[in-house]
Amino acid sequence: AQTVTQSQPEMSVQEAETVTLSCTYDTSESDYYLFWYKQPPSRQMILVIRQEAYKQQNATENRFSVNFQKAAKSFSLKISDSQLGDAAMYFCVPMDSNYQLIWGAGTKLIIKP
Amino acid sequence: KAGVTQTPRYLIKTRGQQVTLSCSPISGHRSVSWYQQTPGQGLQFLFEYFSETQRNKGNFPGRFSGRQFSNSRSEMNVSTLELGDSALYLCASSGLTGDGANVLTFGAGSRLTVL
Repeated sequence: AQTVTQSQPEMSVQEAETVTLSCTYDTSESDYYLFWYKQPPSRQMILVIRQEAYKQQNATENRFSVNFQKAAKSFSLKISDSQLGDAAMYFCVPMDSNYQLIWGAGTKLIIKP
Repeated sequence: KAGVTQTPRYLIKTRGQQVTLSCSPISGHRSVSWYQQTPGQGLQFLFEYFSETQRNKGNFPGRFSGRQFSNSRSEMNVSTLELGDSALYLCASSGLTGDGANVLTFGAGSRLTVL
């Protein structure tokens, strides 16, 4: 079974600083998508960024970027210039061969003002 | 463009009762997935419907069921409620993006409390 490991249950960062959330996963697939979703205290799950495994270039979405290491099966999320609104649970979510999402346990991100 | 709408947002039931939750997907989305979210278990996949057919199913007992209508609206039903069914139930609809990615858009969830 495919698994996802987010080794940091909780992280905190000072506002305006940069933080990196780590994620490793296990898959036998060669072509797949990976996602980061966030869930703020309002509970609405929101897509942050996505990466296609066949693309070598790391995805970037404004202040959010990923470091995708396919061979190492690592998919970390970097948030630059952290803002108070970034406080949320962040989920690393690879997609398996049946187009099903495999959810990690999440990392709670705290932003210190 | 309206988002994914889930109703009701909050509900309280007692053990043994049944409950039906509703989800209206984004217009044009034909796939609807349901998840159960609890503090201890995280997000657990319940099932996915596409064009009125269940396409995938998670590892939940038969008390959990769902269906999808011709307008893509979906309902899930839980019969004979147990205390452990207390959770946030999330619905998500999906459609292909221009680059072929299958991206989920979530509703706000239905918070079920079983007493």
